[in-house]
Amino acid sequence: NAGVTQTPKFQVLKTGQSMTLQCAQDMNHNSMYWYRQDPGMGLRLIYYSASEGTTDKGEVPNGYNVSRLNKREFSLRLESAAPSQTSVYFCASSERGRDEAFFGQGTRLTVV
Amino acid sequence: GENVEQHPSTLSVQEGDSAVIKCTYSDSASNYFPWYKQELGKGPQLIIDIRSNVGEKKDQRIAVTLNKTAKHFSLHITETQPEDSAVYFCAASKNPGYSTLTFGKGTMLLVSP
Repeated sequence: NAGVTQTPKFQVLKTGQSMTLQCAQDMNHNSMYWYRQDPGMGLRLIYYSASEGTTDKGEVPNGYNVSRLNKREFSLRLESAAPSQTSVYFCASSERGRDEAFFGQGTRLTVV
Repeated sequence: GENVEQHPSTLSVQEGDSAVIKCTYSDSASNYFPWYKQELGKGPQLIIDIRSNVGEKKDQRIAVTLNKTAKHFSLHITETQPEDSAVYFCAASKNPGYSTLTFGKGTMLLVSP
């Protein structure tokens, strides 16, 4: 029972490069989320997908795009990475009508 | 938008003592208040939550209280143990059924043996 799996766990990018962070859940949850965690800032919502086929902006969406590929997978894309996007990124999922979010172990991204 | 303030940022206690972490929120429409525990190198994990129609909730050594009038809620941990050492986050949401959470900045709890 893996829960929420994120890949990769660590990544270093150069400014201007692009990459996609992958997230998959095996709990048959309808809703999925991307948060970023910066030192002293707590977690902030980037984008979420209430159900397959829908996506909505969160608190800090600028510089990111998302794709809800199917019910299991929700990816986060950085088209042109900037040093300000250095952060730890967490994917989460929840069951429709339930508030509890289940988080993955995170992707530590450094943009140099 | 919602703003969640959390205090203290660090808390050191002796094993067996109690620990209290406090949060305030700004949006009176918020109605769901979870607490998450994050261990080093891991994602946050829900430990307890409370809804706006309840004033207090307990689960063994942990409890959460909510004062809607004052817009603040607190986490209480009794009989602390070294394995309680972690970063604790409070959060608030007004989107029932979805985990679109606004988090506090976290409290690092250190429990010394």
